[in-house]
Amino acid sequence: EAEVAQSPRYKITEKSQAVAFWCDPISGHATLYWYRQILGQGPELLVQFQDESVVDDSQLPKDRFSAERLKGVDSTLKIQPAELGDSAMYLCASSPKNNEQFFGPGTRLTVL
Amino acid sequence: AQRVTQPEKLLSVFKGAPVELKCNYSYSGSPELFWYVQYSRQRLQLLLRHISRESIKGFTADLNKGETSFHLKKPFAQEEDSAMYYCALRGTSGSRLTFGEGTQLTVNP
Repeated sequence: EAEVAQSPRYKITEKSQAVAFWCDPISGHATLYWYRQILGQGPELLVQFQDESVVDDSQLPKDRFSAERLKGVDSTLKIQPAELGDSAMYLCASSPKNNEQFFGPGTRLTVL
Repeated sequence: AQRVTQPEKLLSVFKGAPVELKCNYSYSGSPELFWYVQYSRQRLQLLLRHISRESIKGFTADLNKGETSFHLKKPFAQEEDSAMYYCALRGTSGSRLTFGEGTQLTVNP
């Protein structure tokens, strides 16, 4: 059964360093989402792609976060520089257009 | 603005007892409501959505527009129902999902 893949699963970095996360969605899924989940809270959407285009990045802190999906398949989320408050689980999800979202296992980021 | 509130962070019941996980929402329009579940060491996954009106694993949820609620219910809880449950709302088709903070359900033997 096809699943969303994410790497790395865990990342520890120091503040002010750059960090990047990768997501490979389920093949054929046009929509890709990046969420941030702070401990004790629900996931919060950071950015949504439709194919290679960003359709919603209203909650993305654009001064330090960037996301791309150059060929409309896999995607990278980058943080530069990382801050202590960025410690969280970063979830990727994909869906056929406007349909059920399938989530990856997440990347747990710890910023020291 | 859209908002989802799950008033209980923790809920504990005994096996065989009824369970209700509360979800209230705020949205000025016709929302789509969902329940997602995350079992221990597994991925977040869709449990049910109000438009399908299905019963999944014995769970049901009815959208009450008057009370702006979408409570999740099961008449007889099982130990394998122990998990984190998230209520989520989508405003217009294709727009963002807004999640509640989640309720950790524990079903005791």
